[in-house]
Amino acid sequence: EAEVAQSPRYKITEKSQAVAFWCDPISGHATLYWYRQILGQGPELLVQFQDESVVDDSQLPKDRFSAERLKGVDSTLKIQPAELGDSAMYLCASGVGNNSPLHFGNGTRLTVT
Amino acid sequence: GENVEQHPSTLSVQEGDSAVIKCTYSDSASNYFPWYKQELGKRPQLIIDIRSNVGEKKDQRIAVTLNKTAKHFSLHITETQPEDSAVYFCAASRNEKLTFGTGTRLTIIP
Repeated sequence: EAEVAQSPRYKITEKSQAVAFWCDPISGHATLYWYRQILGQGPELLVQFQDESVVDDSQLPKDRFSAERLKGVDSTLKIQPAELGDSAMYLCASGVGNNSPLHFGNGTRLTVT
Repeated sequence: GENVEQHPSTLSVQEGDSAVIKCTYSDSASNYFPWYKQELGKRPQLIIDIRSNVGEKKDQRIAVTLNKTAKHFSLHITETQPEDSAVYFCAASRNEKLTFGTGTRLTIIP
Protein backbone atom coordinates (compact mmCIF):
# COMPACT_ATOMS: atom_id res chain seq x y z
CA GLU A 1 0.00 0.00 0.00
CA ALA A 2 1.33 3.43 -0.96
CA GLU A 3 2.32 5.69 1.92
CA VAL A 4 3.08 9.35 2.52
CA ALA A 5 6.84 9.68 3.07
CA GLN A 6 8.29 12.21 5.50
CA SER A 7 11.84 12.99 6.54
CA PRO A 8 13.56 13.34 8.85
CA ARG A 9 11.76 11.20 11.41
CA TYR A 10 13.30 13.11 14.30
CA LYS A 11 14.99 16.50 14.45
CA ILE A 12 16.67 18.25 17.36
CA THR A 13 17.67 21.84 16.84
CA GLU A 14 18.66 24.81 18.91
CA LYS A 15 16.41 27.83 19.09
CA SER A 16 17.08 30.49 16.47
CA GLN A 17 18.33 27.85 14.02
CA ALA A 18 16.62 27.00 10.72
CA VAL A 19 14.96 23.63 10.19
CA ALA A 20 13.26 22.03 7.20
CA PHE A 21 10.94 19.07 6.77
CA TRP A 22 10.17 17.17 3.59
CA CYS A 23 7.04 15.35 2.47
CA ASP A 24 6.36 13.14 -0.55
CA PRO A 25 2.62 12.46 -0.89
CA ILE A 26 1.02 9.40 -2.40
CA SER A 27 1.37 9.52 -6.18
CA GLY A 28 -1.58 11.23 -7.82
CA HIS A 29 -2.79 13.00 -4.70
CA ALA A 30 -3.56 16.62 -5.57
CA THR A 31 -4.17 17.88 -2.05
CA LEU A 32 -1.36 18.09 0.48
CA TYR A 33 -1.54 19.30 4.05
CA TRP A 34 0.92 20.16 6.80
CA TYR A 35 -0.40 19.71 10.34
CA ARG A 36 1.25 20.41 13.69
CA GLN A 37 0.39 18.15 16.61
CA ILE A 38 1.40 19.14 20.11
CA LEU A 39 1.60 16.23 22.54
CA GLY A 40 -1.83 15.37 23.88
CA GLN A 41 -3.72 17.49 21.36
CA GLY A 42 -5.33 17.05 17.97
CA PRO A 43 -3.55 17.97 14.73
CA GLU A 44 -3.85 21.64 13.75
CA LEU A 45 -3.74 22.66 10.11
CA LEU A 46 -0.81 24.85 9.12
CA VAL A 47 -1.12 24.92 5.34
CA GLN A 48 -3.22 23.27 2.61
CA PHE A 49 -2.12 22.86 -1.02
CA GLN A 50 -4.13 22.02 -4.12
CA ASP A 51 -1.48 20.95 -6.61
CA GLU A 52 1.16 23.70 -6.36
CA SER A 53 -1.19 26.40 -5.06
CA VAL A 54 -1.74 27.34 -1.44
CA VAL A 55 -5.44 27.02 -0.60
CA ASP A 56 -5.28 27.91 3.08
CA ASP A 57 -2.35 29.16 5.14
CA SER A 58 -4.35 31.24 7.59
CA GLN A 59 -2.91 29.37 10.60
CA LEU A 60 0.69 29.42 9.38
CA PRO A 61 2.93 31.80 11.40
CA LYS A 62 4.29 33.47 8.30
CA ASP A 63 6.93 35.48 10.14
CA ARG A 64 8.89 32.27 10.70
CA PHE A 65 7.21 29.46 8.76
CA SER A 66 7.16 28.91 5.01
CA ALA A 67 5.89 26.08 2.86
CA GLU A 68 6.21 25.28 -0.79
CA ARG A 69 5.12 22.64 -3.27
CA LEU A 70 6.83 23.91 -6.38
CA LYS A 71 5.97 21.18 -8.87
CA GLY A 72 2.76 20.11 -7.23
CA VAL A 73 4.31 16.89 -5.94
CA ASP A 74 6.58 16.92 -2.90
CA SER A 75 6.60 19.70 -0.34
CA THR A 76 8.94 21.38 2.11
CA LEU A 77 8.04 23.12 5.37
CA LYS A 78 10.64 25.46 6.82
CA ILE A 79 10.97 27.19 10.17
CA GLN A 80 13.41 30.05 10.60
CA PRO A 81 14.20 30.88 13.34
CA ALA A 82 12.96 27.98 15.45
CA GLU A 83 11.52 28.77 18.89
CA LEU A 84 11.07 26.55 21.94
CA GLY A 85 7.28 26.56 21.38
CA ASP A 86 7.73 24.96 17.96
CA SER A 87 8.53 21.61 19.57
CA ALA A 88 5.83 19.27 18.22
CA MET A 89 5.08 16.55 15.71
CA TYR A 90 4.77 17.86 12.16
CA LEU A 91 2.48 15.67 10.09
CA CYS A 92 2.04 15.69 6.35
CA ALA A 93 -1.12 14.30 4.77
CA SER A 94 -2.39 13.89 1.23
CA GLY A 95 -5.66 13.10 -0.50
CA VAL A 96 -7.35 13.01 -3.89
CA GLY A 97 -9.81 15.76 -2.98
CA ASN A 98 -13.62 15.67 -2.97
CA ASN A 99 -13.66 15.01 0.76
CA SER A 100 -11.75 11.77 0.33
CA PRO A 101 -9.87 10.27 3.28
CA LEU A 102 -6.54 11.85 4.18
CA HIS A 103 -3.49 9.63 4.42
CA PHE A 104 -0.91 10.72 6.97
CA GLY A 105 2.82 10.26 7.00
CA ASN A 106 4.73 9.12 10.10
CA GLY A 107 5.59 12.71 10.91
CA THR A 108 8.71 14.56 11.98
CA ARG A 109 9.13 15.01 15.71
CA LEU A 110 10.86 18.34 16.29
CA THR A 111 12.55 19.21 19.55
CA VAL A 112 13.85 22.75 19.96
CA THR A 113 16.38 23.22 22.77
CA GLY B 1 -13.81 28.87 11.30
CA GLU B 2 -14.88 25.39 12.26
CA ASN B 3 -14.71 24.34 15.91
CA VAL B 4 -14.89 20.67 16.88
CA GLU B 5 -15.43 19.60 20.48
CA GLN B 6 -14.83 16.01 21.57
CA HIS B 7 -15.87 14.16 24.74
CA PRO B 8 -14.75 12.47 26.85
CA SER B 9 -11.03 13.20 26.89
CA THR B 10 -10.33 9.83 28.53
CA LEU B 11 -12.40 6.66 28.57
CA SER B 12 -11.76 3.31 30.22
CA VAL B 13 -13.96 0.33 29.44
CA GLN B 14 -13.86 -3.34 30.31
CA GLU B 15 -12.84 -5.64 27.51
CA GLY B 16 -15.94 -6.78 25.65
CA ASP B 17 -17.99 -3.73 26.60
CA SER B 18 -18.91 -0.88 24.24
CA ALA B 19 -17.27 2.53 23.96
CA VAL B 20 -18.90 5.73 22.72
CA ILE B 21 -17.11 8.96 21.81
CA LYS B 22 -19.06 12.09 20.94
CA CYS B 23 -18.21 15.19 18.91
CA THR B 24 -19.98 18.42 18.06
CA TYR B 25 -19.13 20.84 15.27
CA SER B 26 -20.01 24.46 14.68
CA ASP B 27 -20.03 24.97 10.90
CA SER B 28 -23.27 23.73 9.35
CA ALA B 29 -21.52 23.65 5.94
CA SER B 30 -19.17 20.86 7.05
CA ASN B 31 -20.05 17.78 5.04
CA TYR B 32 -17.46 15.09 5.78
CA PHE B 33 -16.70 13.54 9.17
CA PRO B 34 -13.83 11.06 9.52
CA TRP B 35 -12.54 9.32 12.63
CA TYR B 36 -8.86 8.59 13.14
CA LYS B 37 -7.08 6.22 15.50
CA GLN B 38 -3.60 7.12 16.66
CA GLU B 39 -1.40 4.73 18.58
CA LEU B 40 1.50 6.07 20.60
CA GLY B 41 4.21 7.50 18.33
CA LYS B 42 2.39 6.51 15.15
CA ARG B 43 0.50 8.27 12.41
CA PRO B 44 -3.26 8.90 12.61
CA GLN B 45 -5.08 6.21 10.65
CA LEU B 46 -8.60 6.47 9.28
CA ILE B 47 -10.96 3.94 10.83
CA ILE B 48 -14.34 5.11 9.50
CA ASP B 49 -15.89 8.16 7.90
CA ILE B 50 -19.36 9.48 7.10
CA ARG B 51 -20.70 12.08 4.71
CA SER B 52 -23.47 14.51 5.45
CA ASN B 53 -26.02 12.74 3.25
CA VAL B 54 -25.86 9.64 5.46
CA GLY B 55 -27.07 9.24 9.03
CA GLU B 56 -25.25 6.09 10.04
CA LYS B 57 -22.44 3.86 8.81
CA LYS B 58 -21.13 0.59 10.18
CA ASP B 59 -17.98 -1.43 9.60
CA GLN B 60 -17.79 -4.61 11.67
CA ARG B 61 -17.40 -3.52 15.31
CA ILE B 62 -17.24 0.19 14.50
CA ALA B 63 -20.16 2.49 13.71
CA VAL B 64 -20.60 6.21 13.30
CA THR B 65 -23.82 8.21 13.58
CA LEU B 66 -24.43 11.77 12.38
CA ASN B 67 -27.13 14.20 13.44
CA LYS B 68 -26.87 17.19 11.07
CA THR B 69 -29.63 19.13 12.79
CA ALA B 70 -27.90 18.98 16.16
CA LYS B 71 -24.45 19.13 14.56
CA HIS B 72 -23.07 16.16 16.41
CA PHE B 73 -21.64 12.80 15.48
CA SER B 74 -20.54 9.80 17.49
CA LEU B 75 -18.23 6.81 17.27
CA HIS B 76 -19.40 3.49 18.65
CA ILE B 77 -17.05 0.55 19.22
CA THR B 78 -18.66 -2.71 20.28
CA GLU B 79 -17.04 -5.83 21.78
CA THR B 80 -13.92 -3.85 22.61
CA GLN B 81 -10.53 -5.59 22.49
CA PRO B 82 -7.14 -4.65 23.99
CA GLU B 83 -5.90 -3.55 20.56
CA ASP B 84 -8.60 -0.87 20.52
CA SER B 85 -6.59 1.04 23.14
CA ALA B 86 -5.40 4.26 21.44
CA VAL B 87 -6.24 7.93 21.03
CA TYR B 88 -9.23 8.59 18.79
CA PHE B 89 -9.80 11.86 16.95
CA CYS B 90 -12.96 13.05 15.27
CA ALA B 91 -12.80 15.65 12.51
CA ALA B 92 -15.11 17.80 10.42
CA SER B 93 -14.38 18.96 6.89
CA ARG B 94 -15.56 21.86 4.75
CA ASN B 95 -13.95 22.63 1.39
CA GLU B 96 -11.35 19.92 1.95
CA LYS B 97 -10.21 21.59 5.17
CA LEU B 98 -10.18 19.12 8.07
CA THR B 99 -10.55 20.39 11.64
CA PHE B 100 -9.78 17.89 14.38
CA GLY B 101 -11.20 17.41 17.83
CA THR B 102 -8.97 17.28 20.89
CA GLY B 103 -8.88 13.50 21.09
CA THR B 104 -10.11 10.73 23.40
CA ARG B 105 -7.68 8.36 25.06
CA LEU B 106 -9.43 4.99 25.13
CA THR B 107 -8.09 2.31 27.46
CA ILE B 108 -9.46 -1.22 27.32
CA ILE B 109 -9.16 -3.02 30.66
CA PRO B 110 -8.49 -6.78 30.24
